[in-house]
Amino acid sequence: DAKTTQPPSMDCAEGRAANLPCNHSTISGNEYVYWYRQIHSQGPQYIIHGLKNNETNEMASLIITEDRKSSTLILPHATLRDTAVYYCIVRVRGNNNDMRFGAGTRLTVKP
Amino acid sequence: GAVVSQHPSRVICKSGTSVKIECRSLDFQATTMFWYRQFPKQSLMLMATSNEGSKATYEQGVEKDKFLINHASLTLSTLTVTSAHPEDSSFYICSATRGGYGYTFGSGTRLTVV
Repeated sequence: DAKTTQPPSMDCAEGRAANLPCNHSTISGNEYVYWYRQIHSQGPQYIIHGLKNNETNEMASLIITEDRKSSTLILPHATLRDTAVYYCIVRVRGNNNDMRFGAGTRLTVKP
Repeated sequence: GAVVSQHPSRVICKSGTSVKIECRSLDFQATTMFWYRQFPKQSLMLMATSNEGSKATYEQGVEKDKFLINHASLTLSTLTVTSAHPEDSSFYICSATRGGYGYTFGSGTRLTVV
């Protein structure tokens, strides 16, 4: 699976959009981009995933560049409850291979 | 949606004893389950992969005789930490998937060995 690079930490003001970047320059054509987050002392929570088109759900939007070498997770109106570690993972979908986590980005939403 | 229940959420045990952690997929049959360990301020580290009815596959450096994994059914996997020591104190998390089309994580188990 391709490796990812994320900034170790970011701050965001409550109510503003949080934009979390992820670099995955070695991504293969059949690898999806997944985003999970982990709130302190809980299991990871699925946020969104995509292959090449931009995706949006009730939690977030995922913007993937045309060359697929990077992506951005957007939380449109961050709240204090969005404070968590956000993980960007790239992997092939549809097999039973494991989900491996990098260091992630620690997002702190401030009042 | 898919739900994975992990039990217990917290456990304190004495050094030298064994502890069992359960991971159940409540509303789906999990073809594969995974076990992770997470130390403070670190990311999740994959320990092992288990398929129903098969022996678990352990990651390099994880002692299979110390961390016993049983995946007896499509909805239940257990992790037993045998002869636990203080260095085994950690946050243990399971996840389950059906065919790799969705990974659902349990809420984790905080193990403290005293």
